[in-house]
Amino acid sequence: AQSVSQHNHHVILSEAASLELGCNYSYGGTVNLFWYVQYPGQHLQLLLKYFSGDPLVKGIKGFEAEFIKSKFSFNLRKPSVQWSDTAEYFCAAGAYGGATNKLIFGTGTLLAVQP
Amino acid sequence: EAGVAQSPRYKIIEKRQSVAFWCNPISGHATLYWYQQILGQGPKLLIQFQNNGVVDDSQLPKDRFSAERLKGVDSTLKIQPAKLEDSAVYLCASSPTSGVYNEQFFGPGTRLTVL
Repeated sequence: AQSVSQHNHHVILSEAASLELGCNYSYGGTVNLFWYVQYPGQHLQLLLKYFSGDPLVKGIKGFEAEFIKSKFSFNLRKPSVQWSDTAEYFCAAGAYGGATNKLIFGTGTLLAVQP
Repeated sequence: EAGVAQSPRYKIIEKRQSVAFWCNPISGHATLYWYQQILGQGPKLLIQFQNNGVVDDSQLPKDRFSAERLKGVDSTLKIQPAKLEDSAVYLCASSPTSGVYNEQFFGPGTRLTVL
């Protein structure tokens, strides 16, 4: 069965520190991968996505993620975090079959950035 | 464009009572999803509609949960009777179609507390 694992449940960083959040997935076929973010009091929104091609994908607000097929990983990175990056981050994999198009989410990583 | 609308935003009920949630997707989006997000976990798909037809309801507890999208636009999710373990945030999402390259857009969610 498809699954997504996020190893860091809580991360606390100071402003300007670098960020890397881990995400591993298990799936035997072609996989589409996503990172979603939920800022305090707001709804889930897409940060970035990988479908095919260049394994290094860039998203909004300076975030990027690298798809490493051999490691089944899709880690999220940002060189220098800001206080406004405080949020919960979810990695997700797309599960497709016929007309089904559901997202399998990880458990999320709560990031707190201290000013 | 207007986003996915959900109501109510919060609901508190006692166990064995019934409750209903409403979702209005982005205009023109054919595919609608209901996810359940229990505290500390990532969202889990309950049901997916393509227009007014059910595509995937494999994880919907059908003995107590029901959902409909009669006219292919807005949707309601009902729980009857509610159990303590139904306490969660119920997220509605929509996408233009069910195609694999379509982004899912999420609403703000309804936070349900069952006492």
